[in-house]
Amino acid sequence: QVQLVQSGAEVKKPGSSVKVSCKASGGTFSSYTISWVRQAPGQGLEWMGRIIPILGIANYAQKFQGRVTITADKSTSTAYMELSSLRSEDTAVYYCARDGPYEGVFDYWGQGTLVTVSS
Amino acid sequence: AIRMTQSPSSFSASTGDRVTITCRASQGISSYLAWYQQKPGKAPKLLIYAASTLQSGVPSRFSGSGSGTDFTLTISCLQSEDFATYYCQQYYSYPPWTFGQGTKVEIK
Repeated sequence: QVQLVQSGAEVKKPGSSVKVSCKASGGTFSSYTISWVRQAPGQGLEWMGRIIPILGIANYAQKFQGRVTITADKSTSTAYMELSSLRSEDTAVYYCARDGPYEGVFDYWGQGTLVTVSS
Repeated sequence: AIRMTQSPSSFSASTGDRVTITCRASQGISSYLAWYQQKPGKAPKLLIYAASTLQSGVPSRFSGSGSGTDFTLTISCLQSEDFATYYCQQYYSYPPWTFGQGTKVEIK
């Protein structure tokens, strides 16, 4: 049984950066893809990017290019999402999710990490 | 990016009702369509992928259909635990994977 456990809530100032972790257990971490999806308060789901740990390759949604960095540490089965130049509109719950039966279909999700950007 | 549009945005229904949610893609996506259920304060849960394949453990009252640009999620007999928000998502064209805006199913 795959489990994804994320780091705790964060409060950040505008212009700063945040790094959220997602630790996987069960399954073989290197063999699957981890995506990051965010959800602003009362809003829908927005895919940000993904990483394939076995390849060390990350891809990002154009909207976040240049501001987001997704990495993975195979030794600890942990994926990271760092978002820089934070603004109030980045206040959201950030989820990690694993690609399941097909690429781009998310069968396991982390519990979510609330990032609040406020001065 | 492919735009996914769900309808309605919300509606009220009663336990036992048959309900249908529609999702339309801005361009053809074959059957590369997934449905998720999300309850308040929780992560989304995968219900259906490949437009009509039920994820393991999901009750059979959930079903999906469609291909190309038009898709539906049907709940044949609404249960109390089904009151939630439902999202469709295309995984045909990347990046980015895109979601619909959500459909909230509320208790009448």
